Amino acid sequence: GIQVEQSPPDLILQEGANSTLRCNFSDSVNNLQWFHQNPWGQLINLFYIPSGTKQNGRLSATTVATERYSLLYISSSQTTDSGVYFCAVVAQGGSEKLVFGKGTKLTVNP
Amino acid sequence: GAGVSQTPSNKVTEKGKYVELRCDPISGHTALYWYRQSLGQGPEFLIYFQGTGAADDSGLPNDRFFAVRPEGSVSTLKIQRTERGDSAVYLCASSWGTSDVGEQFFGPGTRLTVL
Repeated sequence: GIQVEQSPPDLILQEGANSTLRCNFSDSVNNLQWFHQNPWGQLINLFYIPSGTKQNGRLSATTVATERYSLLYISSSQTTDSGVYFCAVVAQGGSEKLVFGKGTKLTVNP
Repeated sequence: GAGVSQTPSNKVTEKGKYVELRCDPISGHTALYWYRQSLGQGPEFLIYFQGTGAADDSGLPNDRFFAVRPEGSVSTLKIQRTERGDSAVYLCASSWGTSDVGEQFFGPGTRLTVL
């Protein structure tokens, strides 16, 4: 089945810094989503982005489907950005199930 | 409701017991998904429904796990003869359907602990 790899696995930042999280996937996709899992375990939808670029406040994402990767940019990070960021994809031509990467654990220090 | 809801939020049971976990999807969503998340891992797919029927149950680990969605809305995940290895957070998600409307929205999860 499709493989999803996220990097880096861990990231520590000072408040105000910028960061880029990467998601590589091994096959063509119909759907790609970025989530933030907060300390209480809730998965919060950030972007639904099978291709192209989207922006939402301090966050933006770009998916280059032909090269099988997606990037999540966080600018001017805040302590509330801490948590685990997951990339998840739906493989083309198969089930609608999401396949998740292992996540990037982000810690933003004051 | 406004979002996906799951009950109970926490469930503690003894090895060998039967448990039921409930999911209420976003109103109008036709697709419903169950995932399981172990500590330090990403969620893993269990089963998904399109309407009342299970479209893909390939993620169910064995025949102790079963899920139903009899009226195409609420779903129940049932686990028989629970084992300690079943301890995890069980997540439910729903979406309008597939392709362009396939964005999945997750509930808060049920934390299952098998003693």
